Amino acid sequence: DIQLTQSPSSLSASVRDRVTISCRASQSISSYLNWFQQKPGKAPKLLIYAATTLQSGVPSRFRGSGSGTEFTLTISSLQPEDFATYYCQQSYSTPYTFGQGTKLEIK
Amino acid sequence: EVQLVESGGGLVQPGRSLRLSCTASGFTFDDYAMSWFRQAPGRGLEWVGFIRNQLYGGTAQLAPSVKGRFTISTDVSKTIAYLQMDSLKAEDTAVYYCSKAVGVYDLYFDYWGQGTLVTVSS
Repeated sequence: DIQLTQSPSSLSASVRDRVTISCRASQSISSYLNWFQQKPGKAPKLLIYAATTLQSGVPSRFRGSGSGTEFTLTISSLQPEDFATYYCQQSYSTPYTFGQGTKLEIK
Repeated sequence: EVQLVESGGGLVQPGRSLRLSCTASGFTFDDYAMSWFRQAPGRGLEWVGFIRNQLYGGTAQLAPSVKGRFTISTDVSKTIAYLQMDSLKAEDTAVYYCSKAVGVYDLYFDYWGQGTLVTVSS
């Protein structure tokens, strides 16, 4: 199975900060990497697919980059509604796997 | 508007069975694969399996943790995806989500239901 390791596991930041979340795969997954946002008690929401493509309706302050084994989710200017848990997920091979999550909290 | 509504969750004893349903609307159901995920209380997300649409054979793939116990099927006429869960274990306790899946092999999951809680306990 492909392992995804996210860093950091948690992060404190302020509104208007720029934050970066990393996701490292245990082997090359090309660009088959997706990013999700999840708020407590809610279903995950797709933000980015295929490593860099912004899902329709997602604000442009979210940006995905990377390929191979190293990926990054960047939020350029944090808004109050962005405080949530973020997960990366690979669709390169089954079983599809997720990172352990990064909890983004208000400083 | 795409909508996915899960149902069928509840309390079930270990070793028993449960069938979850995911009723879909707002898109052409048989143009897409459907997938199931779960999230144990306080834990991260886990992929359970997916089923391809009929154009790609309607075949399913399941996670090793549930293979041989769970099956995925669809009723295209009713636009429902099912997750049949047999021989349930305590570690199957989770919120189960269904999702619409885009793509053929390199899927991504653009719409999700609200989830249904399955509790396996005696």
